[in-house]
Amino acid sequence: GENVEQHPSTLSVQEGDSAVIKCTYSDSASNYFPWYKQELGKGPQLIIDIRSNVGEKKDQRIAVTLNKTAKHFSLHITETQPEDSAVYFCAAPVSSYKLIFGSGTRLLVRP
Amino acid sequence: NAGVTQTPKFRILKIGQSMTLQCTQDMNHNYMYWYRQDPGMGLKLIYYSVGAGITDKGEVPNGYNVSRSTTEDFPLRLELAAPSQTSVYFCASRGTEETQYFGPGTRLLVL
Repeated sequence: GENVEQHPSTLSVQEGDSAVIKCTYSDSASNYFPWYKQELGKGPQLIIDIRSNVGEKKDQRIAVTLNKTAKHFSLHITETQPEDSAVYFCAAPVSSYKLIFGSGTRLLVRP
Repeated sequence: NAGVTQTPKFRILKIGQSMTLQCTQDMNHNYMYWYRQDPGMGLKLIYYSVGAGITDKGEVPNGYNVSRSTTEDFPLRLELAAPSQTSVYFCASRGTEETQYFGPGTRLLVL
């Protein structure tokens, strides 16, 4: 079955620096890869997603890249701000309506 | 739209007690999910539903039950609470697109 590994588990960056979180997946048939952000005491919220027919997608300071050959996809946050501090989860589909989530990355942006 | 709402926000149970975690969505979504999130871990799927009257087990269903009598509601039942069920529980829903929308979570402590 599908398996998703996420690294690193924690990441501390200085405000204004970039942050990169990487996930690998096992099922080559997977075609949809979302990223969720979870702020303290709240439920996860979708921030960006990518489909397997594109290699990169950007939304302001956030971008996601996909390498289908290597079976990995990454979240890039540029010009980090303190409000980017949160837990980030990647996910991949295990069926047409179910997702499997990575173990999460706790990002801390130091002012 | 209120989105996905969950009650209660927090509950303490004694071992062996029962309770129902409530989840309601007002987006007319067919798909609904229950996840648990243990400290420092990702989201594990407990049960899911693809429509009213249809439910199925996820990765970690033992000790839980669900029902889906309406499109809006998807309650999660714990019959005999155990310390291992101490966790944060999230309900989510999705429509025809892949995005899952999460509720704010229920924090459960079993002592």
